[in-house]
Amino acid sequence: AQSVTQPDIHITVSEGASLELRCNYSYGATPYLFWYVQSPGQGLQLLLKYFSGDTLVQGIKGFEAEFKRSQSSFNLRKPSVHWSDAAEYFCAVGDPGGGADGLTFGKGTHLIIQP
Amino acid sequence: EADIYQTPRYLVIGTGKKITLECSQTMGHDKMYWYQQDPGMELHLIHYSYGVNSTEKGDLSSESTVSRIRTEHFPLTLESARPSHTSQYLCASSDGGLGDTEAFFGQGTRLTVV
Repeated sequence: AQSVTQPDIHITVSEGASLELRCNYSYGATPYLFWYVQSPGQGLQLLLKYFSGDTLVQGIKGFEAEFKRSQSSFNLRKPSVHWSDAAEYFCAVGDPGGGADGLTFGKGTHLIIQP
Repeated sequence: EADIYQTPRYLVIGTGKKITLECSQTMGHDKMYWYQQDPGMELHLIHYSYGVNSTEKGDLSSESTVSRIRTEHFPLTLESARPSHTSQYLCASSDGGLGDTEAFFGQGTRLTVV
């Protein structure tokens, strides 16, 4: 069964600093990979996704993520964070092999932005 | 902007009561999903639907039930609420499989059973 690990429960970053959120997955082949963001009291919004091709994926709000097959990772990055980026970030794995429907989510990383 | 709506946003209810959480989308998506999200935990799929009259159980066992009589509507029902049902419930929809297309999420219903 597929699984997702987000090793950092909380991360604190100063406004304007760079950001990297870690995500590792377990899956038999190359999965579909997603990053979602959840602001307080809101639903989840898709930041970016990887299906195939270029391993560096650009998303909304200035985010990017890089798929590294050798490390089974899909880390999310942003060169300069803004206070509005404070939120919960979820990495997720989809099954392109037609298995059980739905996404498998990590436990999330809570991003705190310091002024 | 996502056009998927959940009501109520917050609900506090007594043990043993029957409740229905509403979810509606105006995008014409065939696939709809219910996730349960506990604080600090990952989202778990509890129900999904491929279209009208189709309902399936997800990875996480749940005492709730769902129905899909209309494409745009996917309500979740608890016949007898218990404190263990306290959680946040998120509804989502997509026009393809959730693993290969973008899913749109509602704002969630935070349920507290006392």
